[in-house]
Amino acid sequence: DQQVKQNSPSLSVQEGRISILNCDYTNSMFDYFLWYKKYPAEGPTFLISISSIKDKNEDGRFTVFLNKSAKHLSLHIVPSQPGDSAVYFCAARVNNDMRFGAGTRLTVKP
Amino acid sequence: EAQVTQNPRYLITVTGKKLTVTCSQNMNHEYMSWYRQDPGLGLRQIYYSMNVEVTDKGDVPEGYKVSRKEKRNFPLILESPSPNQTSLYFCASSLSAWVASNQPQHFGDGTRLSIL
Repeated sequence: DQQVKQNSPSLSVQEGRISILNCDYTNSMFDYFLWYKKYPAEGPTFLISISSIKDKNEDGRFTVFLNKSAKHLSLHIVPSQPGDSAVYFCAARVNNDMRFGAGTRLTVKP
Repeated sequence: EAQVTQNPRYLITVTGKKLTVTCSQNMNHEYMSWYRQDPGLGLRQIYYSMNVEVTDKGDVPEGYKVSRKEKRNFPLILESPSPNQTSLYFCASSLSAWVASNQPQHFGDGTRLSIL
């Protein structure tokens, strides 16, 4: 039972444009959401997070939006850069349990 | 340098031959966990440990064992590996599970296991 879903396996955008990565979840008990970025042959690295009591969190070029009623969150990257090309995992936490989505491969073309 | 170190990085072995993947962190983190990554399924938690001598099952614990005798080490043990355990494995640690939201997990670089 996949409680966190990333329905787009891949996304391609032009350098300088906005990248929007989406994530849906089913468990209303999740209290914290995170985005991780993963380059080939490396482990995931933390990017940005948001508490369930907020609807937006911003860190430089990265903004995460949370829509609790729709059980949906998204990651916006503006402007996108070629170095942002990676696999992005959405994750959600409840108690000690962390659930990850399947990932979206972002390619930013120069 | 703060890091999570996994060994080996790659291993090809045969069904039934016991193997151990080691994981060590140098950040004095209390919480450690193991994940496996499979295509289309993302990362699934195998086991986690809140602290020394405290371990709990995650999503997919069948066929795996762990131990936490020291704070820095959290080995993953496959007593009798089978081909369906062929996967990419990640170890992770964080300061504490309770504040994991503010202290996100640090991941190792992964161990690719192939069980023939």
